[in-house]
Order: sequence, then structure tokens, then C-alpha cells
Amino acid sequence: QKEVEQDPGPLSVPEGAIVSLNCTYSNSAFQYFMWYRQYSRKGPELLMYTYSSGNKEDGRFTAQVDKSSKYISLFIRDSQPSDSATYLCAMSGGLNTDKLIFGTGTRLQVFP
Amino acid sequence: GAGVSQTPSNKVTEKGKYVELRCDPISGHTALYWYRQSLGQGPEFLIYFQGTGAADDSGLPNDRFFAVRPEGSVSTLKIQRTERGDSAVYLCASSFENRGTGFYNEQFFGPGTRLTVL
Repeated sequence: QKEVEQDPGPLSVPEGAIVSLNCTYSNSAFQYFMWYRQYSRKGPELLMYTYSSGNKEDGRFTAQVDKSSKYISLFIRDSQPSDSATYLCAMSGGLNTDKLIFGTGTRLQVFP
Repeated sequence: GAGVSQTPSNKVTEKGKYVELRCDPISGHTALYWYRQSLGQGPEFLIYFQGTGAADDSGLPNDRFFAVRPEGSVSTLKIQRTERGDSAVYLCASSFENRGTGFYNEQFFGPGTRLTVL
């Protein structure tokens, strides 16, 4: 079993829809939870990060972490065609363990 | 400012050959990471440098893989006796030094080198 599980999709939604992306994990040492976005043939770019449990909002994006369930989510409101990309969840153990453990990535397509 | 750059962008080689992949991190970033991304998968950690030294090389798959960062800036990932299974995109990322608990030291990724072993 992988440390981080993520549904690879693809997920196809109409413009304006609310998108929900999720990951589960098994390592309780993870403290930092990130969402990266990756366009085709590009490197991943950071969207948001959360330290420990809780919610964080940035514009149309909301990240949630539930450490008790080992479950994290990313919500995208009012999705746009430009949001079409692969979304990768990533986690790390923190201070002296900065390596990122990624999920498989979920491919999202938002159609006009 | 300039981001992380990687060269070459594409590399095609034959099974058994030796390859070198280069990473130029963002100026001032002391931490440098190498990841490998196979088709349809997320990036997989290979090695992490803090300055010139490898702080964590637990992700290197075997002794055919080696990486250096002699002056604490540019890094080179070296693969000996390449195999078809080494075909992947090799990503490099860099970040500032750890700022303490609660702060994620954002890893900035380069565009990757696409390695194809025939």
C-alpha cells in the first residue's frame, strides 16, 4: 500500500462547477500538507499548503486537513477551463524531513 | 527572477549508456531535491542536498544513481548503465533553508528532463 493514495481520475466537469479532490495517507508523522498543480510538460507549482489540521482558503481554493481521519481535500469553486491540469497532493514530515511524498495526481478537465 | 532550470530538456539514450542531468537552482536556495516522475504517477523522491552534502539519499533506487552538488549550487544527477525502466521525467526542486515549525519551505520545481532509454 502506498503512503499517499489519490484517485487518478480523470475528472471532467463543466465550467463553474465546484470540484472536490481528495487524498488519504497512512503515515501519522506527516505535518505539512500541500497541493501542487502541474500542467502538461511542466514542473509542479505550489497552490496551497496547510500545517497540521484545519482549513485554509485562498481565493477560489480551499484546502482541508483532517489528521484524525488521515484525509485531505482541495475544493475549487467556480472552476475555469484554465484550471484544467493535474492536481498533486504532497506531504512531508516537517522540520528535518523535507522530502515530499506525492499522491498519483488527479487529472482535471474543466470544459466550457 | 529566474526559476529552477534543468538541462537538457530531453535526453534519448541507449540501454547501458551513461547520462548526466543538470539542475540550476534558484539563487540563494540552499536546499536542492531530485525527484523522478514516471508516466501517470506523482513525483518520487530521490535525493536531498543541504548545501554541498546529501542530507537524505534514501530514494536513490540503486548504486547506478549518483548525484553531486560540489559548490552548493548546481547539481548533477548521474545514471550509469541506463536501463529502459529508468525512462521518466527527472525533476529538480530548490528551496530556502528551513525556517522552523509551521512554515513550509516551498519547493520550487524546474520543468524537468525527460529521459528516454531505448
